[in-house]
Amino acid sequence: AQSVTQLGSHVSVSEGALVLLRCNYSSSVPPYLFWYVQYPNQGLQLLLKYTTGATLVKGINGFEAEFKKSETSFHLTKPSAHMSDAAEYFCAATLYSSASKIIFGSGTRLSIRP
Amino acid sequence: GAVVSQHPSWVICKSGTSVKIECRSLDFQATTMFWYRQFPKQSLMLMATSNEGSKATYEQGVEKDKFLINHASLTLSTLTVTSAHPEDSSFYICSARDTVSNQPQHFGDGTRLSIL
Repeated sequence: AQSVTQLGSHVSVSEGALVLLRCNYSSSVPPYLFWYVQYPNQGLQLLLKYTTGATLVKGINGFEAEFKKSETSFHLTKPSAHMSDAAEYFCAATLYSSASKIIFGSGTRLSIRP
Repeated sequence: GAVVSQHPSWVICKSGTSVKIECRSLDFQATTMFWYRQFPKQSLMLMATSNEGSKATYEQGVEKDKFLINHASLTLSTLTVTSAHPEDSSFYICSARDTVSNQPQHFGDGTRLSIL
């Protein structure tokens, strides 16, 4: 069965510091992987996705994630946090790009300290 | 870019009434749409997969008679919460898959449902 695990329900970093949000997946085959951001009372916005090819994926707002098959991980990073990055972040996976249902991780709330 | 519109964005109604939520793909055709439910400070849980012209596929534990889904056209799916009760209060989000392209699902902005 496919599952997505996000370590840390809440991460707090100082403005300008490195952001690291962890995500691990379990799947019998390498899935397609996504990171979404959700602001309060809003839907989900796609930050970035990994399908095939280059394992380091760059997304919007300066975020990037690296697919590591050996570690079954897809951690999200940003070199320098900005106050506007405060939000809920969800890692997600699907076995096909969009034909299959998406399985979401439990989410990580990112807080930014001034 | 592709946009998915959800309406209404917020609804409050009395216990026992039925509430309909619409999900529209604005600039693409969507053979398949998905309905999610999100409780406060929790992740999205898939409720059902809505298929144009056929019956929806419900996830285990989701009452199909409680949450009626209709996908009558390639751009519209509706979720009707029948005889709603306070425990049905939640944030409902839909997503749609572009039939033509191979792009990820696009998500609506969600509907906040509050049952008094």
